[in-house]
Amino acid sequence: SQQGEEDPQALSIQEGENATMNCSYKTSINNLQWYRQNSGRGLVHLILIRSNEREKHSGRLRVTLDTSKKSSSLLITASRAADTASYFCANAGNNRKLIWGLGTSLAVNP
Amino acid sequence: NAGVTQTPKFQVLKTGQSMTLQCAQDMNHNSMYWYRQDPGMGLRLIYYSASEGTTDKGEVPNGYNVSRLNKREFSLRLESAAPSQTSVYFCASSAWTGEYLFFGSGTQLSVL
Repeated sequence: SQQGEEDPQALSIQEGENATMNCSYKTSINNLQWYRQNSGRGLVHLILIRSNEREKHSGRLRVTLDTSKKSSSLLITASRAADTASYFCANAGNNRKLIWGLGTSLAVNP
Repeated sequence: NAGVTQTPKFQVLKTGQSMTLQCAQDMNHNSMYWYRQDPGMGLRLIYYSASEGTTDKGEVPNGYNVSRLNKREFSLRLESAAPSQTSVYFCASSAWTGEYLFFGSGTQLSVL
């Protein structure tokens, strides 16, 4: 199946540091969505960025989109222990079906 | 406003048993989905319903059936459970296909 690629697979940082996760696809991007999943819970939508947008902010989150490179990045600034979770990107391609990455596991150490 | 509610939260089945996972959303969304999540495999789409009255196969539909009972409810049925169906199942909904999803809290299913 077509799946996105996220890197890194796992990331461990200290509280207060920034965390950057990357997402790339082989297919075209209609919109790209980022989700967070805490252990044992359902996914929660964070940000949706459309193909005609280059950057979007929500609180401490910043998402960029480079359609020429078919890639996106999620930056979490001033991380907190509560940010510990898995982060997934999903590309809504031209057929509007979501293609999911395998996720980045983020650990923020106090 | 409950969002997406799915039941049960946990279920243990014996091989060959059947069961139905229930899902309901109260956001007046048109599209609903069933995913399974397995370690190292990410999220895989089982079935989806783009709008009331329609259902379509996703990536891994074999062994499952779905019913879009009305705009609010979308159920997933395992007719004859197999150990390979041991997984965490998530129901989700969105205003339209391709828009961001709201997820339920998941069902942890074990098939022995």
